[in-house]
Amino acid sequence: EAGVAQSPRYKIIEKRQSVAFWCNPISGHATLYWYQQILGQGPKLLIQFQNNGVVDDSQLPKDRFSAERLKGVDSTLKIQPAKLEDSAVYLCASSLDSLSGNTIYFGEGSWLTVV
Amino acid sequence: AQKITQTQPGMFVQEKEAVTLDCTYDTSDPSYGLFWYKQPSSGEMIFLIYQGSYDQQNATEGRYSLNFQKARKSANLVISASQLGDSAMYFCAMREGSNRDDKIIFGKGTRLHILP
Repeated sequence: EAGVAQSPRYKIIEKRQSVAFWCNPISGHATLYWYQQILGQGPKLLIQFQNNGVVDDSQLPKDRFSAERLKGVDSTLKIQPAKLEDSAVYLCASSLDSLSGNTIYFGEGSWLTVV
Repeated sequence: AQKITQTQPGMFVQEKEAVTLDCTYDTSDPSYGLFWYKQPSSGEMIFLIYQGSYDQQNATEGRYSLNFQKARKSANLVISASQLGDSAMYFCAMREGSNRDDKIIFGKGTRLHILP
């Protein structure tokens, strides 16, 4: 079974530029998550989708971050314009659904450096 | 208030010894799940073990076991016979409730160093 796929793996951009990350979840997984992990910290949930609907985006900085999952499968996370403090690993994850017993599986992450 | 607390920022353990990584949690929901993930330097998050709040027995997966003490709200990870490849960050996480909106939250992690 293929895992969660993410791209690009690494990205370096200048502040005020834009960047987009792509995620393809495990086949059949209804729930998709984007997490931000700053170096030395635990992952922080940015947004959670159930199929193509948003169920939690309370920690998404909506003035600069946006995410979509139009067909309920792939998802993109965009940052525009980027700030220095956005330097982090962006982890995409998926689970069958968000019931408490369902494990979430992570991709390898997209490492963003803003200079 | 933190929902997941990992009090050990870092640990050094001799190879082949057992190691316990601490995790305490805070919830008033009777239905929840507890997870442990390993994150090596490559950055990927690897699922290790899961414990449900209604599970009667402690979860085990190979060398990993979860010491679940519900009354104390602790879910410590035990790694037996540690190996050099176990050196990584370890995160405890929790998902509360039984609704489809429930999210998983992570602790700050413990960095484990296995010494040869």
